[in-house]
Amino acid sequence: DAGITQSPRHKVTETGTPVTLRCHQTENHRYMYWYRQDPGHGLRLIHYSYGVKDTDKGEVSDGYSVSRSKTEDFLLTLESATSSQTSVYFCASAISLSDEQYFGPGTRLTVT
Amino acid sequence: EDKVVQSPLSLVVHEGDTVTLNCSYEVTNFRSLLWYKQEKKAPTFLFMLTSSGIEKKSGRLSSILDKKELFSILNITATQTGDSAVYLCAVGGSNYKLTFGKGTLLTVNP
Repeated sequence: DAGITQSPRHKVTETGTPVTLRCHQTENHRYMYWYRQDPGHGLRLIHYSYGVKDTDKGEVSDGYSVSRSKTEDFLLTLESATSSQTSVYFCASAISLSDEQYFGPGTRLTVT
Repeated sequence: EDKVVQSPLSLVVHEGDTVTLNCSYEVTNFRSLLWYKQEKKAPTFLFMLTSSGIEKKSGRLSSILDKKELFSILNITATQTGDSAVYLCAVGGSNYKLTFGKGTLLTVNP
């Protein structure tokens, strides 16, 4: 598996606070993705990146922003956390658009 | 909008049984279909099927892709308790993003 780590692994925060989740990969993969996973919905794409400083929206991007200043790091920011953003967040990376994605261990975020 | 439907949603079997998991899809300009296994952690990659590779096998797991009928199956023979997991199907289309199904929860009892 690709060397992908996520931090923090668990976080509890209050409604209205900003939160940043970090994804770090050591495989020099060009493509990186942020998903959220919720019961009844499966994995849904939030944002993805196709290179340094190149990002685009996924299907559930409202309330989230991302940044990628280095190949190895992809940050997900919740600008003002809401209870509906309580979820498990997974980062993934891939060599190319046509290749399989490898997932990080996930971050469990609870917004109270 | 791309769509992936997995069935059944859950399945309970005994060790040694053979199981078949289904994945049907609707996607614009199909590129690939992927299977992942998810235990209580991150999804781990199992297989990728494409137009040039419609059948894959690894040990007790095998998968085929029917591009005409727009579905794939994942077979697990001689199931073991360690096969208990959620199995996810995902499809890549023209927008180069993966669309995931909701998964099949497989429980293998000893």
